[in-house]
Amino acid sequence: GAVVSQHPSRVICKSGTSVKIECRSLDFQATTMFWYRQFPKQSLMLMATSNEGSKATYEQGVEKDKFLINHASLTLSTLTVTSAHPEDSSFYICSASSSRASSYGYTFGSGTRLTVV
Amino acid sequence: GESVGLHLPTLSVQEGDNSIINCAYSNSASDYFIWYKQESGKGPQFIIDIRSNMDKRQGQRVTVLLNKTVKHLSLQIAATQPGDSAVYFCAENTNTNAGKSTFGDGTTLTVKP
Repeated sequence: GAVVSQHPSRVICKSGTSVKIECRSLDFQATTMFWYRQFPKQSLMLMATSNEGSKATYEQGVEKDKFLINHASLTLSTLTVTSAHPEDSSFYICSASSSRASSYGYTFGSGTRLTVV
Repeated sequence: GESVGLHLPTLSVQEGDNSIINCAYSNSASDYFIWYKQESGKGPQFIIDIRSNMDKRQGQRVTVLLNKTVKHLSLQIAATQPGDSAVYFCAENTNTNAGKSTFGDGTTLTVKP
């Protein structure tokens, strides 16, 4: 089955620094990846859609200059949280799909717990 | 705006009983629905999906029912086990925005031994 690997699983950083989160599709090529954010006891909120070889599409209210997304290959998308602040502390989750897949179904990574201190 | 919501935030059942988790959606253009299970500290795990041209789909111990008339979705889990304890989300997609899932609020299922 489709496997999405996300790294790191946990990260603690100091306020003002940047953190990069990786999302890899291990056994399929992901033409599109999605980045979500989830606060405690809340649902997943879509942040942006990452398309291989093109600019990401951000949801309303998400700062594109703060959350940098790069999808340079069919198996890797990265989310960089720049100048992180405590309010950016959250659970970040990616998902991937492929236009080459025979059906829908979006595989999620295991998530990254970001804590900004 | 469009939203997908759940009727109950928590559900507690006895091991071996059947569980029913409900979901209401508001976007009549949604044509693909997915149920996910999320355990603490992990990403969502696909359980079962259904397209709008169907009203029922069965998997192993799970059944999804779709009522487009009232925009209602349900997940039935047969013979609920302690390992089923998790948060369950329904999500909706439209064909024109494939992959952009809108998630409901989630129902926490607790299975008592």
